[in-house]
Amino acid sequence: DVKVTQSSRYLVKRTGEKVFLECVQDMDHENMFWYRQDPGLGLRLIYFSYDVKMKEKGDIPEGYSVSREKKERFSLILESASTNQTSMYLCASRTQRLAGVSETQYFGPGTRLLVL
Amino acid sequence: SQQGEEDPQALSIQEGENATMNCSYKTSINNLQWYRQNSGRGLVHLILIRSNEREKHSGRLRVTLDTSKKSSSLLITASRAADTASYFCATDNTDKLIFGTGTRLQVFP
Repeated sequence: DVKVTQSSRYLVKRTGEKVFLECVQDMDHENMFWYRQDPGLGLRLIYFSYDVKMKEKGDIPEGYSVSREKKERFSLILESASTNQTSMYLCASRTQRLAGVSETQYFGPGTRLLVL
Repeated sequence: SQQGEEDPQALSIQEGENATMNCSYKTSINNLQWYRQNSGRGLVHLILIRSNEREKHSGRLRVTLDTSKKSSSLLITASRAADTASYFCATDNTDKLIFGTGTRLQVFP
């Protein structure tokens, strides 16, 4: 079974702090994703990565950056946390069989971040 | 931008009844996927239907896809209290999945 883990289930940070959210998958998947989920807005893609050291902006990248130094790990960084970044953050991974075709994504349990 | 849109937003039924959720989307797709999310947890993949398929079954789940109407439906038969969750459709036309806002299903024992 694919396992996607996230470093924290709950996190409380202060405005202006630098925040690291870590995601690790154990299935040698090429692609990894970071989403945020807010009530009434569904899941919105922040950043994704096709492979090691590659990254692409999603729909809402402002205020975030990412790092993919190893294939199994994809980190989301909030350079200077703000209250409007309070949200549920979900990481996902998938294999890449065919270019341009999305396969099943496997999600981590989520990190609920509160920025005070 | 959100492509998939689920309907209804919320659904309450009794155990044993069937639950039907609908998803509409806007552009051409390679496949459409349904996911389930228990409260405060990550999403779990339920079923994937490709653009050249019209119907797919998995246990108590039945998914249909009508590409001419750009719509899909998820039917859960003989529902159980444990089916209580949010259900999301996700569509792709490139390398990214675009999720809808979900249907919240409540199944009462």
